[in-house]
Amino acid sequence: DAGVIQSPRHEVTEMGQEVTLRCKPISGHNSLFWYRQTMMRGLELLIYFNNNVPIDDSGMPEDRFSAKMPNASFSTLKIQPSEPRDSAVYFCASSLQTGTEQYFGPGTRLTVT
Amino acid sequence: GQSLEQPSEVTAVEGAIVQINCTYQTSGFYGLSWYQQHDGGAPTFLSYNALDGLEETGRFSSFLSRSDSYGYLLLQELQMKDSASYFCAVTGLDSNYQLIWGAGTKLIIKP
Repeated sequence: DAGVIQSPRHEVTEMGQEVTLRCKPISGHNSLFWYRQTMMRGLELLIYFNNNVPIDDSGMPEDRFSAKMPNASFSTLKIQPSEPRDSAVYFCASSLQTGTEQYFGPGTRLTVT
Repeated sequence: GQSLEQPSEVTAVEGAIVQINCTYQTSGFYGLSWYQQHDGGAPTFLSYNALDGLEETGRFSSFLSRSDSYGYLLLQELQMKDSASYFCAVTGLDSNYQLIWGAGTKLIIKP
């Protein structure tokens, strides 16, 4: 299996622009997680899906952030408009079931100038 | 609330043994996990303790004591490649089965 796939690996954008991060989970995994990691705040769970349904989005910072999972093999995290404080590494992870071992993608390093 | 505490940094010598502790406050959980993250990389799963006691996987072992709200990761025969951050995480009963993460321990290994 190719593991969790994320794109792009790096994104540099200007404040105010829309950013879309993409994730393909491991085939057969029912749960998908979006995390954000910064030096200051560590690893934060933004949202997670179970069977394509958002279960907990309490970690989403504000309305500028939105996430979708239209099918079992694809999810997006969108930031509109982006701000410099959104600069971080965004990880997508999947697991066979919620609560079991999570497999992380390589992450997207986002820089907002 | 639920929280996990682990030391921010631990230093050890190559070839030695090091223990990274994790204490937690939670109303209940299914198990304690450990993840490793190298600089610039993604977290990778190391171990999971559902029951009290010691789980061994090669040079790494993980321990859980629910009565003491405490767990640790033990790394033996340290190698330079073990230099990384180590995160403990619990699968909370009250958190829709999501992982509650500690802040991570940076392990520095000296030759």
